[in-house]
Amino acid sequence: QKEVEQNSGPLSVPEGAIASLNCTYSDRVSQSFFWYRQYSGKSPELIMSIYSNGDKEDGRFTAQLNKASQYVSLLIRDSQPSDSATYLCAVANNNDMRFGAGTRLTVKP
Amino acid sequence: NAGVTQTPKFQVLKTGQSMTLQCAQDMNHNSMYWYRQDPGMGLRLIYYSASEGTTDKGEVPNGYNVSRLNKREFSLRLESAAPSQTSVYFCASSEAGGRGYTFGSGTRLTVV
Repeated sequence: QKEVEQNSGPLSVPEGAIASLNCTYSDRVSQSFFWYRQYSGKSPELIMSIYSNGDKEDGRFTAQLNKASQYVSLLIRDSQPSDSATYLCAVANNNDMRFGAGTRLTVKP
Repeated sequence: NAGVTQTPKFQVLKTGQSMTLQCAQDMNHNSMYWYRQDPGMGLRLIYYSASEGTTDKGEVPNGYNVSRLNKREFSLRLESAAPSQTSVYFCASSEAGGRGYTFGSGTRLTVV
């Protein structure tokens, strides 16, 4: 059983729409939750971190965490073609950070 | 600031050869990590160093060794490369465990 699961996609949305990315995890003692963006052939880049239940907003990005359901999500509002990338969900317990395989997002002009 | 610097960017090895991947960070981070990324499997933790002078195994440590040379540098060594070690290797650092990572640009390694 994978520890961090994401829908591999591809997820395709039109420009200006809301993209919704989802992630579930299996380790109930996980304390820290992250979303990274990875462009093709590049390294992952941290875009959001969330540590407590609820929503956290940063610009066009909103991360949502529900520890009871072991569920993390990322909403991207007003999606742009430059948002086209693979989004990695990561879950950490101190120095042990586990990553999902990623969801590939395509934003069509 | 350079952030996290990895060398080399590309490498081709023959089975049985050895090599060391270098990683250095200039952000005064305490924790450093080595991951490998394979298609469809995501990033998997090889080794990490929570602080200078300490190292610990991650999810897939077999066939690798590491050295935390000082606070800035964390190297990964393949003693006898195998085709199964063909992958993209990323070094990362963070202020502490449980914080977000800054990744290096990666090393694409092919073992033939």
